[in-house]
Amino acid sequence: DVQMTQSPYNLAASPGESVSINCKASKSISKYLAWYQQKPGKANKLLIYDGSTLQSGIPSRFSGSGSGTDFTLTIRSLEPEDFGLYYCQQHNEYPPTFGAGTKLELK
Amino acid sequence: EVQLQESGPGLVKPSQSLSLTCSVTGYSITSNYWGWIRKFPGNKMEWMGYISYSGSTSYNPSLKSRISITRDTSKNQFFLQLNSVTTEDTATYYCARLEQLYLPFDYWGQGVMVTVSS
Repeated sequence: DVQMTQSPYNLAASPGESVSINCKASKSISKYLAWYQQKPGKANKLLIYDGSTLQSGIPSRFSGSGSGTDFTLTIRSLEPEDFGLYYCQQHNEYPPTFGAGTKLELK
Repeated sequence: EVQLQESGPGLVKPSQSLSLTCSVTGYSITSNYWGWIRKFPGNKMEWMGYISYSGSTSYNPSLKSRISITRDTSKNQFFLQLNSVTTEDTATYYCARLEQLYLPFDYWGQGVMVTVSS
């Protein structure tokens, strides 16, 4: 299975700031990486897939970059609703595997 | 809009079977792929398996001997059964949709927490 190493585990920021979350695959996954947002009591939200393609309805302050083994999710100008848990997931091969999650908290 | 909702017992005894239902509205489960994913305490996520539009299934090899995913197309529901559970199966269980096999999960349920304890 492809191991996904996500960092940092915790991240504290203020509204208006920009943050980045990293994800590293144990082998090349081409461009096939997705990012999700998870909040208590809500359905997980797909933000980005294929490394950098924004899912329909997701604000443009979210962006993804990378290919091969190294990927980054960047959130510009944080809004209050952006705080929560973020996961990466490779969708290049089966079984799909996830990173350990990054908790984005209000500073 | 596609909506998914998990349901089932919140408490299961060790060695018994865990059975969950995913009810889908706004879209037919005879299209696309429908999966189960779980999140353990500590936040690790694991893909468990899926059932396809045709009823074929694929499972995570780590679970292959214990898992079964079935469906009832007349009710637009699909089901998870996990046999011989232990405390290590305590997790929040999610159902989700895959538009295509090598795309990510684009619609998710809110999740149901299941505790395995005597």
